[in-house]
Amino acid sequence: GAVVSQHPSWVICKSGTSVKIECRSLDFQATTMFWYRQFPKQSLMLMATSNEGSKATYEQGVEKDKFLINHASLTLSTLTVTSAHPEDSSFYICSARDTTRGSWGQYFGPGTRLLVL
Amino acid sequence: QQQVKQSPQSLIVQKGGISIINCAYENTAFDYFPWYQQFPGKGPALLIAIRPDVSEKKEGRFTISFNKSAKQFSLHIMDSQPGDSATYFCAASNAGNMLTFGGGTRLMVKP
Repeated sequence: GAVVSQHPSWVICKSGTSVKIECRSLDFQATTMFWYRQFPKQSLMLMATSNEGSKATYEQGVEKDKFLINHASLTLSTLTVTSAHPEDSSFYICSARDTTRGSWGQYFGPGTRLLVL
Repeated sequence: QQQVKQSPQSLIVQKGGISIINCAYENTAFDYFPWYQQFPGKGPALLIAIRPDVSEKKEGRFTISFNKSAKQFSLHIMDSQPGDSATYFCAASNAGNMLTFGGGTRLMVKP
């Protein structure tokens, strides 16, 4: 149980285009999902907290107009990188909490590698 | 401000040995301390977690030791195997909310 999927697993796009990444909780409902960014050989940095039915909460320094987050259902959150530039190239990972089981554990998706040319 | 400090950054252990990774935190509001294992190109996988009401938790070859007064916790991997070679992250949160991660430890277990 507690499986989180992401799609796509990798994407290559041209500078200036927008890219949408999906995060799904497959066997549980998640009122809260989290989006992280990870550069090579570095730790995970929280970008934003996604709450179902409400606006996302962004961490300091993360541009909310550039990284659009939509949490339209209890099993799906999306991250859209708008007008992507080469510096946005990174590994994007989502996580979700299975609050129905009374657990505090966060379960991570497999990640999406974005390369902006 | 890095609220969770992890050491060492890298660790080499012989097969069958004990791998020990340490973390220290500053925020006394933290009450949930998980450890994650990450293989290259994959998302982190939850290994084991502890809450501050216990000083030790063991699951198979993995043990967390927790020292509330010192604000430190550590991961011990007993009988380390080459398949354990990965990057390990400690983390901390308040009531399971946003996780604050340590810097990570790259573990290599030599056969």
